[in-house]
Amino acid sequence: DIQLTQSPSSLSASVGDRVTITCRASQGVATWLAWYQQRPEKAPKSLIYAASVLQNGVPSRFSGSGSGTDFTLTITGLQPEDFATYYCQHYNSDRLTFGGGTKIEI
Amino acid sequence: QVHLVESGGGVVQPGRSLRLSCVTSGFTFSHHGMHWVRQAPGKGLEWVAVIWYDGNNEYYADSVKGRFTISRDSSKDTVYLQMNALRVDDTARYYCARDSSSGLTYFDYWGQGTLVTVTS
Repeated sequence: DIQLTQSPSSLSASVGDRVTITCRASQGVATWLAWYQQRPEKAPKSLIYAASVLQNGVPSRFSGSGSGTDFTLTITGLQPEDFATYYCQHYNSDRLTFGGGTKIEI
Repeated sequence: QVHLVESGGGVVQPGRSLRLSCVTSGFTFSHHGMHWVRQAPGKGLEWVAVIWYDGNNEYYADSVKGRFTISRDSSKDTVYLQMNALRVDDTARYYCARDSSSGLTYFDYWGQGTLVTVTS
C-alpha cells in the first residue's frame, strides 16, 4: 500500500497567518491526491483534488501543489473557521489511503 | 443538493454482525461509486471499502477484507456495509462518502456518520 506522511502533525497559528502542510507519498502518485478539512465533531469536507484543483465553493485562500511524491496544502490568510484537522488522500491504486492528519490550533 | 444519511450503528459484542445503511439523494446514484470510510475515536481517517457505480467491482482495506461486504441497491439509492466477525478495533464512526466518479477517486460528499462500538 502507498503510505502518506503528513507534516507537521500539529501546528499553532494565528488569524491572518500563512500556513503550509506537506504530504509525502511512499511512491509516486502523479497528481492523484486530494485534501480534506475536518472541523471538530464534523464530517470531513473536500477541499482540493488532482493535487491543485479547488472544489467548488472552497475559498481561494486554499491552494495545493505538487506531483509525484511531494505535495503541499497552503492557507494564505488563516481565518477562524480554518482551525481544523487536514488530511491528504491518494487515489493512485485500489487501496486508498489517508495521511495521518495535521491539526491547526490557535 | 447531495445528501448522504447513514444509519445502523450501535453497540455490539465482539464476533457479532451489524449492517450499516446509507441513503442518498440529490444526485444520480447509478453514476457514482460509493465508499465507506471510518474514524476510530480520536484517530485519523481510514478508507474501508468501495463499490463501483454499477456494482460490478468492490475493493476493501486489508483490515476488513473477508469480514465486511459492501453492496448497493439502485432501486433505493442506498449503499450498505455488512460487517461480520466484528472486533474491538472496528470501533469507529463510519462515514458514507460519494466517489467523484465511477469508483476509485476522491470523496466529494460525505455523510455525518454512524457510530459503531464493539465491546464485551
